Amino acid sequence: QVKLLQSGAELVKPGASVKLSCKTSGFTFSTSYMSWLKQVPGPSIEWIGWIYAGDGGTNYNQKFKGKATLTVDKSSSTAYMDLSSLTSEDAAVYFCASPGYYGPFDYWGQGVMVTVSS
Amino acid sequence: DIVLTQAPLSVSVTPGESASISCRSSKSLLSSKGITSLYWYLQRPGKSPQLLIYQMSNLASGVPDRFSSSGSETDFTLKISKVETEDVGVYYCGHRLEYPFTFGSGTKLEIK
Repeated sequence: QVKLLQSGAELVKPGASVKLSCKTSGFTFSTSYMSWLKQVPGPSIEWIGWIYAGDGGTNYNQKFKGKATLTVDKSSSTAYMDLSSLTSEDAAVYFCASPGYYGPFDYWGQGVMVTVSS
Repeated sequence: DIVLTQAPLSVSVTPGESASISCRSSKSLLSSKGITSLYWYLQRPGKSPQLLIYQMSNLASGVPDRFSSSGSETDFTLKISKVETEDVGVYYCGHRLEYPFTFGSGTKLEIK
């Protein structure tokens, strides 16, 4: 059974950075493309990018280059996303997602809310 | 970027009736392999999105056959027959034809 367990809600100050985690189980992490997505009230969903766990190769949505950095730890089957220089525009719920038989977002984490406030 | 435009923004349906949601793409979603790269997701209140439909018209495992989808290369329709209370939520279309993957802005389904 595929599971994606994300870290808890974050309250961060403007200008700071935050690192989100997504611990996976139930599938072969080392050959997976792990995606991160952003959801703001509206509602809308934006794809941030993905990382290939096998070699750490990445593909970012141009909009999020310089804002998000994706990494993985194969030993713990965990994906990470660093968000830097946070502003109010970065306040959102962030999801990790993994592919399956059907496509790139077959499985989703529970989401983590990031609040940016001083 | 490919823009996916959904309509309506919201729909209110009596249980047992049908509902249709439209998704229009700014570009053909037909890939060079002959696959139409259109997906439908449902996000129930307080939950993560879940996959309903892949490659325009195929039901994901466990999805009731009350859900169906069809379309052309740029215009798509999700139909929900005999709507149930568990169908409440926001429906999104999305594609994976090219980078960046994008989603429609969502259609909220409510029960009358």
